[in-house]
Amino acid sequence: AQSVTQLGSHVSVSEGALVLLRCNYSSSVPPYLFWYVQYPNQGLQLLLKYTSAATLVKGINGFEAEFKKSETSFHLTKPSAHMSDAAEYFCAVSVSQGGSEKLVFGKGTKLTVNP
Amino acid sequence: DGGITQSPKYLFRKEGQNVTLSCEQNLNHDAMYWYRQDPGQGLRLIYYSQIVNDFQKGDIAEGYSVSREKKESFPLTVTSAQKNPTAFYLCASSTSGYSNQPQHFGDGTRLSIL
Repeated sequence: AQSVTQLGSHVSVSEGALVLLRCNYSSSVPPYLFWYVQYPNQGLQLLLKYTSAATLVKGINGFEAEFKKSETSFHLTKPSAHMSDAAEYFCAVSVSQGGSEKLVFGKGTKLTVNP
Repeated sequence: DGGITQSPKYLFRKEGQNVTLSCEQNLNHDAMYWYRQDPGQGLRLIYYSQIVNDFQKGDIAEGYSVSREKKESFPLTVTSAQKNPTAFYLCASSTSGYSNQPQHFGDGTRLSIL
């Protein structure tokens, strides 16, 4: 079954430091991959998506992610963390099941940014 | 502005009671989804619908029911059969059910037991 694993349920960085949130997927075919961000008591907002056009994907708020097929990874990075980046981040992979297509989400990584 | 509206924001259920969560979208999207979110569990799919008058069970459909009579609306009923309903419920929609389409989310309904 296709799935996604986010390494580290909590990540803490200093303001201005590099942000690296890890995501590994399992899929028998090249997948579509997504990163979402969730602020407290809100829904999820799309940060970026990989749909096979380019391996380095740029998203909103300065985030980007690189698709590495050999490592089955899709890690999210931002060169310099800002206090407003504190939130929970979810990686998701598309799956086909029973003739329908849907998203499977990782368990999330909560990012804390220290002043 | 187009978007997804979930109501109410907070909901309380008594034992043995059914409650209905509302989800309305004005994005003209064909596909709609209901997820349940528990701390540390990520999002789990309850039900989804790719067209009007059709819907499919997700991974945790037991104790829930839905309807899709209009394209804009996809209400979720949490029945008394759902023994642990306390969670954050998120509704989402996408242009179609194809896997390359991102999902757009509402701001959620938090359900608690009285």
